Amino acid sequence: EAQVTQNPRYLITVTGKKLTVTCSQNMNHEYMSWYRQDPGLGLRQIYYSMNVEVTDKGDVPEGYKVSRKEKRNFPLILESPSPNQTSLYFCASRSGGAGQETQYFGPGTRLLVL
Amino acid sequence: SQQGEEDPQALSIQEGENATMNCSYKTSINNLQWYRQNSGRGLVHLILIRSNEREKHSGRLRVTLDTSKKSSSLLITASRAADTASYFCATEISGYSTLTFGKGTMLLVSP
Repeated sequence: EAQVTQNPRYLITVTGKKLTVTCSQNMNHEYMSWYRQDPGLGLRQIYYSMNVEVTDKGDVPEGYKVSRKEKRNFPLILESPSPNQTSLYFCASRSGGAGQETQYFGPGTRLLVL
Repeated sequence: SQQGEEDPQALSIQEGENATMNCSYKTSINNLQWYRQNSGRGLVHLILIRSNEREKHSGRLRVTLDTSKKSSSLLITASRAADTASYFCATEISGYSTLTFGKGTMLLVSP
């Protein structure tokens, strides 16, 4: 089954404790991205990647890192989480081909930073 | 930066009625997409309309695009309680680029 998976689905942590949220897709998509969703603000893009070893900042990259060493994986790293990073996070992927603009979203990771 | 803005923010209707949501955006686009999100879950793609298209249909969904007004509308006909969700428009400025989402319309369909 074609899907985007994220782990963990729920995470409670404390300020400053490094964490990684994994994202994996099995559709051989070139393009992957991370969004955060906050009440009243909708979805905002954090980082995106056009292909392996190619990443770029989205609208709200501060406090986040990403890497794209393999095509299927795009982990989101919070080196020193802060309470303002409490949010619902979504990973998404899409094919890079023309006419293939639909993005496929993971189920979300709900993060609480105390 | 927010490209698409949905209107209304919330909409409450009865089953069987039609629901119309609007989206306005600021810059020229390559395509506009509508997504649905059930409470706290992942987004599901509904329909995509390209900048050279004016109207598209998919089942009970009808999307229009007016590039001169930089606006789009999503019509759900004969709504059902299962249509209760948040609906987001997202714009893509050029092929191969990122999607920019609006803040969404929360639709409640009562039995």
